[in-house]
Amino acid sequence: KAGVTQTPRYLIKTRGQQVTLSCSPISGHRSVSWYQQTPGQGLQFLFEYFSETQRNKGNFPGRFSGRQFSNSRSEMNVSTLELGDSALYLCASSLVQGSYNEQFFGPGTRLTVL
Amino acid sequence: QKEVEQNSGPLSVPEGAIASLNCTYSDRGSQSFFWYRQYSGKSPELIMFIYSNGDKEDGRFTAQLNKASQYVSLLIRDSQPSDSATYLCAVTRNTPLVFGKGTRLSVIA
Repeated sequence: KAGVTQTPRYLIKTRGQQVTLSCSPISGHRSVSWYQQTPGQGLQFLFEYFSETQRNKGNFPGRFSGRQFSNSRSEMNVSTLELGDSALYLCASSLVQGSYNEQFFGPGTRLTVL
Repeated sequence: QKEVEQNSGPLSVPEGAIASLNCTYSDRGSQSFFWYRQYSGKSPELIMFIYSNGDKEDGRFTAQLNKASQYVSLLIRDSQPSDSATYLCAVTRNTPLVFGKGTRLSVIA
């Protein structure tokens, strides 16, 4: 069974631009969570989607948004990029919402904002 | 503010020794506890989870939970150089996971 895939793997943007990251969960998994990982703050929860609905949201500004499609694939968007948005963005999939003991991470997208 | 605290390390242990990784959490209502391993440049990988007080063993790994002390630990027996990684503790009360910043473990051959 294929794992969680994320595209692109690396991205370089400049301040003020926007970016869209994509995540395809493990086949059959319907919940997708997004996390931001930085050396200073560690791994922080952004949002969780299940059945195309945002179920939980972390403490991030409105510039961070996401959505989930009917095939469970998810995208997250960051608008008006800031230098501090440079991070590894990880998505994780699980069968259903809240099944954290079966949550699997993708390889991540490394975003660099110049 | 729910917090999960870990010593950042590095924790250095010789090959074959027991590595002991510790984690404390602030939310007394936390119900589930997870240990992830993250190699440099890779994504986190779940290695253990524990829900009840006491010990849970899986191969060379043992997770220990003490809810009264709000403390969870991970023991790695017969440590190998391949265990060198950052270990992340995460907790939840059926809400999104709250992660610690991780402890970097270095196993010296």
